[in-house]
Amino acid sequence: DQQVKQNSPSLSVQEGRISILNCDYTNSMFDYFLWYKKYPAEGPTFLISISSIKDKNEDGRFTVFLNKSAKHLSLHIVPSQPGDSAVYFCAASTSGTYKYIFGTGTRLKVLA
Amino acid sequence: GAVVSQHPSWVICKSGTSVKIECRSLDFQATTMFWYRQFPKQSLMLMATSNEGSKATYEQGVEKDKFLINHASLTLSTLTVTSAHPEDSSFYICSARADYNSPLHFGNGTRLTVT
Repeated sequence: DQQVKQNSPSLSVQEGRISILNCDYTNSMFDYFLWYKKYPAEGPTFLISISSIKDKNEDGRFTVFLNKSAKHLSLHIVPSQPGDSAVYFCAASTSGTYKYIFGTGTRLKVLA
Repeated sequence: GAVVSQHPSWVICKSGTSVKIECRSLDFQATTMFWYRQFPKQSLMLMATSNEGSKATYEQGVEKDKFLINHASLTLSTLTVTSAHPEDSSFYICSARADYNSPLHFGNGTRLTVT
């Protein structure tokens, strides 16, 4: 049972435009969500997180939106840059536990 | 920011031998570290939770006798793949975080190839 889903395996966006990556989850106990960026043959790098008490968190070009009723979160990158090309994983966790559940990832390609 | 160092970054071994992978938290103490495995084009699968000073907690389907985990100190966890077989070839990644209010930070991973 895949508790965290990223239904788009890949996404291509023109440089300068907005990239929107989506993530859905099924477990209502999740209350902490994160996005990680991963290059080939490297470990994931933390990008941004959001607690369930918020519906939006912004850090520079990256904004994460959380819709608890829909059990959906999204990562917006604007403006997109070629260096943003990577695989993006969303992850979910429950307070008081260290365990993260990862989605299957979305490969973003930003075209110059 | 928090740094997690993983060594080696890649290793090739013969079938039947054992391989040890080290994971260190460089600028913080981690009572808990995590070992993940990633298959090509797939998600990160949690293998086990490494607890300092106690036994590791393994996820369902992960053989604890094959994947030995030792968390010897607050900054070091090791994963030993014992009697490796070609199907153990994969990308193994460790992670750690300082406390509940901090995100997980990952090492750069170890590419294991068993011939």
